[in-house]
Amino acid sequence: GAVVSQHPSWVICKSGTSVKIECRSLDFQATTMFWYRQFPKQSLMLMATSNEGSKATYEQGVEKDKFLINHASLTLSTLTVTSAHPEDSSFYICSAGRPSGRVGTQYFGPGTRLLVL
Amino acid sequence: RKEVEQDPGPFNVPEGATVAFNCTYSNSASQSFFWYRQDCRKEPKLLMSVYSSGNEDGRFTAQLNRASQYISLLIRDSKLSDSATYLCAVNKGGNFNKFYFGSGTKLNVKP
Repeated sequence: GAVVSQHPSWVICKSGTSVKIECRSLDFQATTMFWYRQFPKQSLMLMATSNEGSKATYEQGVEKDKFLINHASLTLSTLTVTSAHPEDSSFYICSAGRPSGRVGTQYFGPGTRLLVL
Repeated sequence: RKEVEQDPGPFNVPEGATVAFNCTYSNSASQSFFWYRQDCRKEPKLLMSVYSSGNEDGRFTAQLNRASQYISLLIRDSKLSDSATYLCAVNKGGNFNKFYFGSGTKLNVKP
C-alpha cells in the first residue's frame, strides 16, 4: 500500500520555539496533502490543505501565520508550528491521497507528537 | 452542527459478539465514505470504504444510507484484536477532497 512518512515522530520543545514537521509520500506523488491535529480522546481535526506549488488553504479557526505550510515538491509537505505554546501540544498527522486510488482515499503518516513545555 | 457525528462509546463486548456502530453526516452532498481504525497513540488505518450498495470484507460489513445520511459498520465474531477506536470519515468531494472525521467510537473486546 501507499506509504506516508513523518518526521520527527516525537518533539519536546520549550515554549516560544518553532517546530517543523515533515510529511513525505514515499511511493507516489501527492499534489495535495492534509494536516490534522488530534487532542487526547478527540477526533482528528483538519487544519489545512497543502497544495503543491501554491498556498495552503486553512480551515476556519486555524491561524495561518502560526501554522506555516510549505508544499515545495510532489512528495514533501512541511508544517511549522511557530512560537509554540503548551496549548499547541498535540498529535499532528498528515495524509495524502494516492492518485490511482479511489477518490478520497487517504493514507496517513504515523503522526508527530508535540509536547511544548 | 458537526460535519460527522459518532457515539463515542465505549462499547464493551465479549469475544465472539456482534457489534454495530453508526455514524451520521450533515452534508447531503458528501460523496465518499470510509471507516478507519485507530489504535491508541497511532495514526488511523483505512479499514474499508463504504459503497452505496453496502460491502463486506470478512467479518466487517459497511453500509450507507444516503436518505438518512448515516453509515454503519458491523463487526461479527469480535476478536480481542478488534479493540480500537473506529473513525468514520466523509469526503465532500469537490476541490481538494477534504476529509471530515467523526470523533470515533471506542470498542473494547473482552475475553
